[in-house]
Amino acid sequence: DVKVTQSSRYLVKRTGEKVFLECVQDMDHENMFWYRQDPGLGLRLIYFSYDVKMKEKGDIPEGYSVSREKKERFSLILESASTNQTSMYLCAIQRGRPSTDTQYFGPGTRLTVL
Amino acid sequence: QQQVKQSPQSLIVQKGGISIINCAYENTAFDYFPWYQQFPGKGPALLIAIRPDVSEKKEGRFTISFNKSAKQFSLHIMDSQPGDSATYFCAASIRGYQKVTFGTGTKLQVIP
Repeated sequence: DVKVTQSSRYLVKRTGEKVFLECVQDMDHENMFWYRQDPGLGLRLIYFSYDVKMKEKGDIPEGYSVSREKKERFSLILESASTNQTSMYLCAIQRGRPSTDTQYFGPGTRLTVL
Repeated sequence: QQQVKQSPQSLIVQKGGISIINCAYENTAFDYFPWYQQFPGKGPALLIAIRPDVSEKKEGRFTISFNKSAKQFSLHIMDSQPGDSATYFCAASIRGYQKVTFGTGTKLQVIP
């Protein structure tokens, strides 16, 4: 079974705090993704990584950064959290063959910024 | 041009009925069209996928219909069951690129 683990299921932070969301996989997949999910907007890609230390911006990277120091771990960082970053954050992994392989998702982290 | 438009946003179907969710795209470079199913409290999971060289793909009660000329594809759930109640996302991607573009999602409720 594919396992994608996200560090927290629920998180409450204050405006201006630095927030770390962590994703860990046990499948040795090259590609890792961070999405946010909002009602009526679907899944929007924030950043993805296709290799250690490699990253690419997705559709909505503003206000976020990422880090991938080890193959199995991909972190999403909110440098200074704002209320409009309250959302469900989903991590996904995908094998090396681009795009047509299945994306496997973690259970999500529901972040509330007060 | 990268958008995938999905409708309806929500859908209520009686048990045993047919659920139909529609998606449309603009980018003709898209060549892979998966559907993901998400239950409450879980991440999305791949349900079924199609490539544009076929017009239909069926897996059990789930069927994707694909119309290349109209740039539209749809998911049909036959004999819908309460256990099918979930949010469904269509998606599209381009061979050679990691990025997948998702639709906005359809919340399906199947009532007894």
